[in-house]
Amino acid sequence: AQSVTQLDSHVSVSEGTPVLLRCNYSSSYSPSLFWYVQHPNKGLQLLLKYTSAATLVKGINGFEAEFKKSETSFHLTKPSAHMSDAAEYFCVVSLPAGTYKYIFGTGTRLKVLA
Amino acid sequence: GAVVSQHPSRVICKSGTSVKIECRSLDFQATTMFWYRQFPKKSLMLMATSNEGSKATYEQGVEKDKFLINHASLTLSTLTVTSAHPEDSSFYICSARIQGNEAFFGQGTRLTVV
Repeated sequence: AQSVTQLDSHVSVSEGTPVLLRCNYSSSYSPSLFWYVQHPNKGLQLLLKYTSAATLVKGINGFEAEFKKSETSFHLTKPSAHMSDAAEYFCVVSLPAGTYKYIFGTGTRLKVLA
Repeated sequence: GAVVSQHPSRVICKSGTSVKIECRSLDFQATTMFWYRQFPKKSLMLMATSNEGSKATYEQGVEKDKFLINHASLTLSTLTVTSAHPEDSSFYICSARIQGNEAFFGQGTRLTVV
């Protein structure tokens, strides 16, 4: 069965410092993995996706994530946080091709301190 | 990128009435649309998968008579919350996918039942 675990419900960083949001997955298949961001009372915006190509995936707004099969991880990073990065972040695993059902992690709320 | 529009963004209704939420793919034809529900400070839970021209497939625990889904065309799916009660208050988000591609999310609808 597929599942995804976001290890931190809340993360606080100072503006200009690195961001690390952790995600571990469980999948019986070669997974497709995504990171989405949600600002308050807004929909979801795709940050980046991994679909079995390069293991280091670059996304929008300076975010990137590395797929590590040996660690079953797909952590999201950004070298320097900006105030506008404050939001809820969801790690998502997609069920096998043909369904595109998404399994969402519980979310990590990122707070950026001035 | 592909745009999914959800309407309304906010709705307040009286207990016992029905509410319809629309999800439109604006610049592509969506073979499959998904409806999610998000409780406050919680993750997204898949409610149902709808395919154009056929009955929706509901996830376990979701009342199909309560949450009516219609996918009449390749660009429109509707979710009707029938006989709404305060416990139905939530954030509802739809997504649509292009064949063989990832899903794109609407902006969400905040439903408040009073």
